[in-house]
Amino acid sequence: GESVGLHLPTLSVQEGDNSIINCAYSNSASDYFIWYKQESGKGPQFIIDIRSNMDKRQGQRVTVLLNKTVKHLSLQIAATQPGDSAVYFCAETLRGSNYQLIWGAGTKLIIKP
Amino acid sequence: KAGVTQTPRYLIKTRGQQVTLSCSPISGHRSVSWYQQTPGQGLQFLFEYFSETQRNKGNFPGRFSGRQFSNSRSEMNVSTLELGDSALYLCASSLGLRGTGGTEAFFGQGTRLTVV
Repeated sequence: GESVGLHLPTLSVQEGDNSIINCAYSNSASDYFIWYKQESGKGPQFIIDIRSNMDKRQGQRVTVLLNKTVKHLSLQIAATQPGDSAVYFCAETLRGSNYQLIWGAGTKLIIKP
Repeated sequence: KAGVTQTPRYLIKTRGQQVTLSCSPISGHRSVSWYQQTPGQGLQFLFEYFSETQRNKGNFPGRFSGRQFSNSRSEMNVSTLELGDSALYLCASSLGLRGTGGTEAFFGQGTRLTVV
């Protein structure tokens, strides 16, 4: 069945370094992927998305990479700041599923001063 | 522009009771989705409403139901509460049905439900 999972539940990064959060998916019918950030006490906040016909998409300080060959998705955050501390979720939708979002378990990003 | 508003923010109920949660989407947004978030299960999709009709449904028992009003406001109801229903219930609104444009979903802060 389809699934979206994260390799690491917690990631600690030095302030100023780049962060890479990984996500694996198992269904080749997945055609749309989204990264969300959830800070403590708040709802998830959209960061960036990518469609399956793309390999890379860049936003402000964030880059999402999609490797369809190995069904792997990553979120890169450049020059990590204290405000980046949050839980990051990847989510996918399957072609033909009415775009129902399937969520990963989340990775907690901790920024070390 | 006001964001997604969920009320109440916190709720404590006892087993067997029922509860109704409310979500007001961003003005102009017609799609409202509901999610259950627990530490062990992560974010689980409950259902999505668009133009007062349920368009998608997740794998939850019939105790979980919802509706959407003509002004796009949505309510979610859980009957015969169980301890395992304790969770953060999140509502997300988007401009249109996902996949038709306006896919980006904006989340509210959630309602923290505790069942004792």
